[in-house]
Amino acid sequence: SQQGEEDPQALSIQEGENATMNCSYKTSINNLQWYRQNSGRGLVHLILIRSNEREKHSGRLRVTLDTSKKSSSLLITASRAADTASYFCATDPYNQGGKLIFGQGTELSVKP
Amino acid sequence: EAGVAQSPRYKIIEKRQSVAFWCNPISGHATLYWYQQILGQGPKLLIQFQNNGVVDDSQLPKDRFSAERLKGVDSTLKIQPAKLEDSAVYLCASSYQGARGTDTQYFGPGTRLTVL
Repeated sequence: SQQGEEDPQALSIQEGENATMNCSYKTSINNLQWYRQNSGRGLVHLILIRSNEREKHSGRLRVTLDTSKKSSSLLITASRAADTASYFCATDPYNQGGKLIFGQGTELSVKP
Repeated sequence: EAGVAQSPRYKIIEKRQSVAFWCNPISGHATLYWYQQILGQGPKLLIQFQNNGVVDDSQLPKDRFSAERLKGVDSTLKIQPAKLEDSAVYLCASSYQGARGTDTQYFGPGTRLTVL
């Protein structure tokens, strides 16, 4: 079963605006990862945050993790039309051999 | 470095037919995964290999799906016979170690299967 639940399911913004996506999960984790998927293509790894980390940055991406609330957020700043894609959070549950459990995804549309 | 390779990219079959997908992981990656992604959903793990041994196949429908990883490198996923609900994108991923966690998985482009 899917562990991660993401919201919103779809998000439409203008270029230059910030986009925030949220992910909630149910069990203890080793880490949480965010992936991007462009239409009809494979997933691209964006960022990994470990369970003992609270915030991580990579370029225009900022990820937070709150293990007490079992939630994470992905912020994309100064969005571009090329950021249009589906974004998935994936959890690496504790003691499950490194398998990833993906959420349903957030479909982001950035209008030029 | 070369990424994860998959073939074919697209496949259309009739229900009850058989189909096979091939995956070549990134060189040196010990762990290989097969995921099924139904339209509008996130990927679901079907099977995980560590070298040529199965680590997790709990969500693999074993009555019709089979997978193997010969010599711990390439892998094939087979469906026999296919059902309409098997229409999905089948993604292969690999990681350096995998079973120890905190490991990035690298995904191939996927095979889009349509069962008519």
